[in-house]
Amino acid sequence: GQNIDQPTEMTATEGAIVQINCTYQTSGFNGLFWYQQHAGEAPTFLSYNVLDGLEEKGRFSSFLSRSKGYSYLLLKELQMKDSASYLCAVLTGGFKTIFGAGTRLFVKA
Amino acid sequence: EPEVTQTPSHQVTQMGQEVILRCVPISNHLYFYWYRQILGQKVEFLVSFYNNEISEKSEIFDDQFSVERPDGSNFTLKIRSTKLEDSAMYFCASETGRYIANTGELFFGEGSRLTVL
Repeated sequence: GQNIDQPTEMTATEGAIVQINCTYQTSGFNGLFWYQQHAGEAPTFLSYNVLDGLEEKGRFSSFLSRSKGYSYLLLKELQMKDSASYLCAVLTGGFKTIFGAGTRLFVKA
Repeated sequence: EPEVTQTPSHQVTQMGQEVILRCVPISNHLYFYWYRQILGQKVEFLVSFYNNEISEKSEIFDDQFSVERPDGSNFTLKIRSTKLEDSAMYFCASETGRYIANTGELFFGEGSRLTVL
């Protein structure tokens, strides 16, 4: 079966750091993605990991451990505009990326 | 910046009617996808399309659904006889292709909201 799990909701304070975890069990693995989705909008790409380790991109970093089936997205210096859903997604084979249910992040002042 | 465009942005239809959702992927992209998202739920894979044929489809993509790339630019999703449970946001996405430097990042259109009454 295919399973991607992430917390449903998180709340954090402006300026703080937040870590959103994702665990996955999929029949194939060709990379893990994080997408951001604001309410009523399309998902937009944030990061990609295919090898173990940390990828850093400005205020956003993503980590992958393939042996543990685990990833996290780290958001630093949180801003109000970071309030959105964060979707963990796995490219399971050649032509199929599947998504987790998303973590809704609320950033408060 | 190039983008994926979708039409219509919103369509209301009666149960049993046929619906065609249209997408214009980014021009040099080679892989095309349809996803759907029922309100409040996750983004679900429907179908992928490469080299003028379906590469993979999900169990949701039954005989009521079909895709077509009728010319060099459009990519369409047809639902033959809509049901109430087809009400969702339908996203088209495209991808450049599988080169060494390519990550497999999906570029999504803004979506077509389908409401079936």
